[in-house]
Amino acid sequence: DAGVIQSPRHEVTEMGQEVTLRCKPISGHNSLFWYRQTMMRGLELLIYFNNNVPIDDSGMPEDRFSAKMPNASFSTLKIQPSEPRDSAVYFCASRTAGTGVSYEQYFGPGTRLTVT
Amino acid sequence: RKEVEQDPGPFNVPEGATVAFNCTYSNSASQSFFWYRQDCRKEPKLLMSVYSSGNEDGRFTAQLNRASQYISLLIRDSKLSDSATYLCVVIAGGFKTIFGAGTRLFVKA
Repeated sequence: DAGVIQSPRHEVTEMGQEVTLRCKPISGHNSLFWYRQTMMRGLELLIYFNNNVPIDDSGMPEDRFSAKMPNASFSTLKIQPSEPRDSAVYFCASRTAGTGVSYEQYFGPGTRLTVT
Repeated sequence: RKEVEQDPGPFNVPEGATVAFNCTYSNSASQSFFWYRQDCRKEPKLLMSVYSSGNEDGRFTAQLNRASQYISLLIRDSKLSDSATYLCVVIAGGFKTIFGAGTRLFVKA
């Protein structure tokens, strides 16, 4: 299995531009998580989906952030407009869900976003 | 108060030393507990799950004390390759995942 795939791996953009981060979870996993990691705040859960449905988006910092999961194999995190304080590493993770299964989350390699 | 708190370190130890990390959590309804390891500029990876009975995997031992809402990780006979950040993770309600800020470990030759 290829693991969780994220693209792009690096993104440099100017303030005010729209940024779209992409994630392909591991095949067969039905839960997907978006995280943001910074030196100051550590690893923060932004939103998670179960069976393509957003369950909790209370971690999304502002209305500028939105996430979608149109099908089981693809999710996007969009920032519009982007600001310098959005600079961070954004991780996507997936896992199976249900009783009696491991809660281990498998992380993608992350997207390093720099907003100038 | 943060939902999951860890000593940020860094811990600087010589090879062969035993080192212990602690973690406390605030939500008494938390159900699952883990330790993840994160190498510099890499993604977090599961190190081990934490059970009430305690569990051991080679040089690593994890303990959970539900009454005190406390988790620990013990590393024996530290290796250079153990240098990393160790993240305490707590899950409540099946999905809500809270990561601690992590404890940095440096193992020196």
